[in-house]
Formats: sequence, C-alpha cells, structure tokens
Amino acid sequence: NAGVTQTPKFRILKIGQSMTLQCTQDMNHNYMYWYRQDPGMGLKLIYYSVGAGITDKGEVPNGYNVSRSTTEDFPLRLELAAPSQTSVYFCASSSGRAGYNSPLHFGNGTRLTVT
Amino acid sequence: DAKTTQPPSMDCAEGRAANLPCNHSTISGNEYVYWYRQIHSQGPQYIIHGLKNNETNEMASLIITEDRKSSTLILPHATLRDTAVYYCIVRAHNTDKLIFGTGTRLQVFP
Repeated sequence: NAGVTQTPKFRILKIGQSMTLQCTQDMNHNYMYWYRQDPGMGLKLIYYSVGAGITDKGEVPNGYNVSRSTTEDFPLRLELAAPSQTSVYFCASSSGRAGYNSPLHFGNGTRLTVT
Repeated sequence: DAKTTQPPSMDCAEGRAANLPCNHSTISGNEYVYWYRQIHSQGPQYIIHGLKNNETNEMASLIITEDRKSSTLILPHATLRDTAVYYCIVRAHNTDKLIFGTGTRLQVFP
C-alpha cells in the first residue's frame, strides 16, 4: 500500500496562474480531505468528500475547487493563484466518518509558493 | 463547534514520560478524541484515539477523564525523535470535519 500520494511535492506559481494538486489513495477510503498549513500555524480544512460525486466546503474554501469522480482521486484546483495561497497543502483519507473511530491518513504534502 | 485547548509548548527530558494535556469541554457523547503529531513539515502522523476508555498502543497511552472534558497523551519514554507538534483533535459538531488547532510543541532534550 502506498497510502496517500500527493503530487507535485513542490511548485512555484506566478500570480493569476492555475494549477491542480493531485491526491490519490489506494486504501479504498470513502472520505478524503484537503488541508492547508501556513507557516507556524495548524491545519485548516479546505474541502472534503464523503464519497465519489460528493464534496463539501471546509473552513477556508475560497479560491479553491475540488471534484471527486472516483474513490481514489481527489484533486484540488487553484484557478487564479494569489500570494495568500502560498502554503503547504495536505491531502488525507479515512475509511469512515472523521471523528468516528476512523483515523485520517495523510500524504506528505505539496509546498506551493505564489509570487 | 467542539474545539480543543492545548498548551503552546512543553519540554521533556529524554527517557522521561511526556504528559501532554488537552481540554475539550464541549465534546459530545459520540465524538472521539484523536492525537496526531507533526515532525518538521511532514504530513501529520496518527498516534492514538479514544472515546471514553483509556487506550494504549505501541506509541503512546491516552487517558480520558470520566466526564470526557479533558485528556492526556502519555509518551512513556520520550526520545529526541519525539520532538514534534502534537495535536489533540475532536470532530466539529454534526459534521464530518476534524478541526486542527495550533497544537503543543514538545521539545525533548538530552
């Protein structure tokens, strides 16, 4: 099992560019999540999905979009990159509902810089 | 929303037990308490979770008070590699979201 795999590991974007952060998991988990972590801060939930075709907003969804067409993949899209989106992005998955006896499994993150 | 309160930082001598406290006074009856840690900027690592009974695994022990308003993570013999930020997390009420706070930065010294 590879677990949760995120690509790319690093990326530099210019203001206004767009990109997709990829996340895939091979554990057949229904639940997937995107978090961002700014320097010295805790993780903030951007979007999450409870299954293929179903997504919902987290704490900080503005400026991002997601889709969940398969169980395995949960890409995060930035349409018009802004310096405020400079952060480390973590994808996670769980077999059941978060907080209900189902630990989250995290990827190793994507470090994004917008200049 | 349910949330947790942790001290921002703690120190522990190598080989001694590290006891990390967490308050979660608004937790609901069916919400688990989770502990994760993050070393440098790696992805958070799951440690342990529990509902109302004390739990132990190969990494740590979790002690939850009877009223479930607080808990303590115990690393029985801390090593330098346990230096990390430790997060105590509960689920936001009536949602599928786990909300992270800023955690406790544990420094283990020789």
